[in-house]
Amino acid sequence: AQSVSQHNHHVILSEAASLELGCNYSYGGTVNLFWYVQYPGQHLQLLLKYFSGDPLVKGIKGFEAEFIKSKFSFNLRKPSVQWSDTAEYFCAVMPQSTDKLIFGTGTRLQVFP
Amino acid sequence: GAGVSQSPRYKVAKRGQDVALRCDPISGHVSLFWYQQALGQGPEFLTYFQNEAQLDKSGLPSDRFFAERPEGSVSTLKIQRTQQEDSAVYLCASSLGPSRLGYTFGSGTRLTVV
Repeated sequence: AQSVSQHNHHVILSEAASLELGCNYSYGGTVNLFWYVQYPGQHLQLLLKYFSGDPLVKGIKGFEAEFIKSKFSFNLRKPSVQWSDTAEYFCAVMPQSTDKLIFGTGTRLQVFP
Repeated sequence: GAGVSQSPRYKVAKRGQDVALRCDPISGHVSLFWYQQALGQGPEFLTYFQNEAQLDKSGLPSDRFFAERPEGSVSTLKIQRTQQEDSAVYLCASSLGPSRLGYTFGSGTRLTVV
């Protein structure tokens, strides 16, 4: 079955620290990849997406993600986090044969000043 | 509208009660999706409409769940004879064109069955 794994359930960082959140998926075919963010009390918002081309994708607010096909991974990175990055982050996969998003369980990020 | 609007924002239902959750997608958005997000989990796909046609309902957990979008805009998710395991946040999302470009999500309806 198709699945998405986010190994870090809860990450705590100080401001200016670097961030990397892991995401691995299991699906043999071509996929589109997404990271969504949910700030406290708000709806899910798209951070960045990959569907073809350069495997290093840049998104909003200084986030980027790298698609490594051989590792079935799409890790999210940010060189220097801010307190305002405190949120829950969801990795999601969309097999090209469908319109469904398959989400991971999410990673809760807390950034302390 | 400016975003995807869902109502009610919160719903408390007694076990066995029927509920109806409403979604107003962004005007002109062809595709509409319903997801269920249990506490501590990621959203899980329930069903998908393209205009008024329900193209995929494979994620609906039982025949107590029913969704409709009769005029290709507003959608309603109905849950009959609610049970405690139905407690979750129900998210609606819409998309103008190809879903691979990403959806816009609403804020969700938090359903608590007591």
